[in-house]
Amino acid sequence: SSELTQDPAVSVALGQTVSITCQGDSLRSYYASWYQQKPGQAPILVIYGKNKRPSGIPDRFSGSNSGNTASLTITGTQAEDEADYYCNSRDSSGNWVFGGGTKVTVL
Amino acid sequence: ELQLVESGGGLIQPGGSLRLSCAASGFTVSSNFMTWVRQAPGKGLEWVSVLYTGGTTYYADPVKGRFTISRDDSKNTLYLQMNSLRAEDTAVYYCARGQGIAQTYYFDYWGQGTLVTVSS
Repeated sequence: SSELTQDPAVSVALGQTVSITCQGDSLRSYYASWYQQKPGQAPILVIYGKNKRPSGIPDRFSGSNSGNTASLTITGTQAEDEADYYCNSRDSSGNWVFGGGTKVTVL
Repeated sequence: ELQLVESGGGLIQPGGSLRLSCAASGFTVSSNFMTWVRQAPGKGLEWVSVLYTGGTTYYADPVKGRFTISRDDSKNTLYLQMNSLRAEDTAVYYCARGQGIAQTYYFDYWGQGTLVTVSS
């Protein structure tokens, strides 16, 4: 089965830029989608496709892709961006997989 | 307004069965692929199952043969039938709507989740 690998945790100073990466073979065929989850809440979609944001997601969130790696970048990180972030992808057989999640701490 | 509302969770003994429901409003379940995702206490998101528009289904290895995903178009509702439940199935279960074309696939709307606790 497919796997997606994320770093468990990252910290960033308020107002600075942070990037989270996600690696996996399925990303060679399909774009990753990224989800933000705050404690006690359901996940919300923040980035999908090549670099698309759903309505209501601030433009400080952006995505990029290269080979088997996808990245989520938060530029000018705000306190409210502190959350867990998960990447996700389908594979060629129709199954899906989530990365293990990255906890973003805003200092 | 588009909404997904899960129900059916609760406390169940190991080996028991439970059926989760996900009632959709604001869109037609049969026109989108739908998924179930779970999250064990303190753990990350885990994909469980997907139902594509044509009726094809897929399951994660840990639930294969025990869980069944289905939908009732007349009720615009997605289901997850869970049999032979184990302690490791304890989690919040979310349903989500899928969208996708070519290389771009994602889940754009999520329910609030329903908690399933498997314990004696």
